[in-house]
Order: sequence, then C-alpha cells, then structure tokens
Amino acid sequence: NAGVTQTPKFRILKIGQSMTLQCAQDMNHNYMYWYRQDPGMGLKLIYYSVGAGITDKGEVPNGYNVSRSTTEDFPLRLELAAPSQTSVYFCASSVASGHNEQFFGPGTRLTVL
Amino acid sequence: KQEVTQIPAALSVPEGENLVLNCSFTDSAIYNLQWFRQDPGKGLTSLLLIQSSQREQTSGRLNASLDKSSGRSTLYIAASQPGDSATYLCAGEGYQKVTFGTGTKLQVIP
Repeated sequence: NAGVTQTPKFRILKIGQSMTLQCAQDMNHNYMYWYRQDPGMGLKLIYYSVGAGITDKGEVPNGYNVSRSTTEDFPLRLELAAPSQTSVYFCASSVASGHNEQFFGPGTRLTVL
Repeated sequence: KQEVTQIPAALSVPEGENLVLNCSFTDSAIYNLQWFRQDPGKGLTSLLLIQSSQREQTSGRLNASLDKSSGRSTLYIAASQPGDSATYLCAGEGYQKVTFGTGTKLQVIP
C-alpha cells in the first residue's frame, strides 16, 4: 500500500491565484482530514469527510473548499490565495473516528507571495 | 474547548538516557490520545494510540500512559538513541474533532 499520498510537495502561489492540493489513500479508509501546520503551532483541522459525498468544516475552513467524490480522493481547493494561507498542509485518513489511528501524508509546503 | 499542551517545547538528552515527554489536556471527554513522531520536513508517523478506557500502551522502547482524571498523558522512551531525535506530538480526539499539541522537539546527543 502507498498509504496516504499528497501532491504537489511544494508550491509557490501569487496572491489571488487558486490551486488544488491533491490527496489520495489506498487503505479504503472512510474518514479523511485536511490539516494545516504553522510554525510553533499545533495542527489545525481545516475540513474532514466521513465518507464519499460527505464533508464538514473543521476549525479553520475559511478560504478553502473540499469535495469527496470517491473513497480514495479528498482534494483541497484554495480560492484567491492569501499570504495567511502560507503553511504546510497535511492530509490524513482513518478507518473511522474515535478508536482508530490517523495515517498522515508527507505534506504540501505552500507559500503565497 | 479542548486545549492540549506539551511541555517542554524542546529537550536535549545524552544517548542512553530514559526520558518522559508530557502532554496535558483540558477536556477529559476524549475518545483516545495519540502520540506521533514528526521528522523535519516530513509528515506525522503514529507511534501509539491509547483508547479512553485504557491506561497505557507499549511498543518496543516506547510506553504511553493516559490519566483522564488528571488530564495527562506521558510518553516514556527507554534507552534513547540519536535516531529518536524528532518532534513528538500528542493529539486528543473528541467528538468530531482532534486537537493537537504544539510538540516537544527532542534531541538525543551521541
């Protein structure tokens, strides 16, 4: 199994540009998550999904959108990028909530200039 | 609102020393407490997960404990090695939410 994969690894955006961060998992996990990690801060949950077709907001959803058309894929869309969105983005998955460990992707480092 | 705190933020120890990393949380209504390791520029690797009904979990040289009544979890690393150098994060999962601490950066000196 490849586990959780993320693309791209690095990206530089100009203010106002848009992009999609890709995330895929091959473990048939129902739950998927998007986090951002800022220096000196803990991970903050952006969005999560409990299954295909179902998504919900996390702690810091403003400026982002997600979709979950398949069990495997959970892309994160940034519209009108702002410097405040400069961060490292992690995707994670788990079988379910509450009793199962989360598996993380390698991250995408995004800089908005 | 759940808050997870990890103290100290950084720790440096000589190789071979046993050490304890601390994690405290404010809301005891958690489903589980998970410890992760993060190497520079990398994602998080799960080390141990303790269910709310459990008191501890062990994996090799690692032992994690959970005391919900006091809002504390500890990660014990025995006979530390330079390869253990990394940032260690704890995370408490509650209803529809996982809250992460800011981590303890561990350096094991050969």
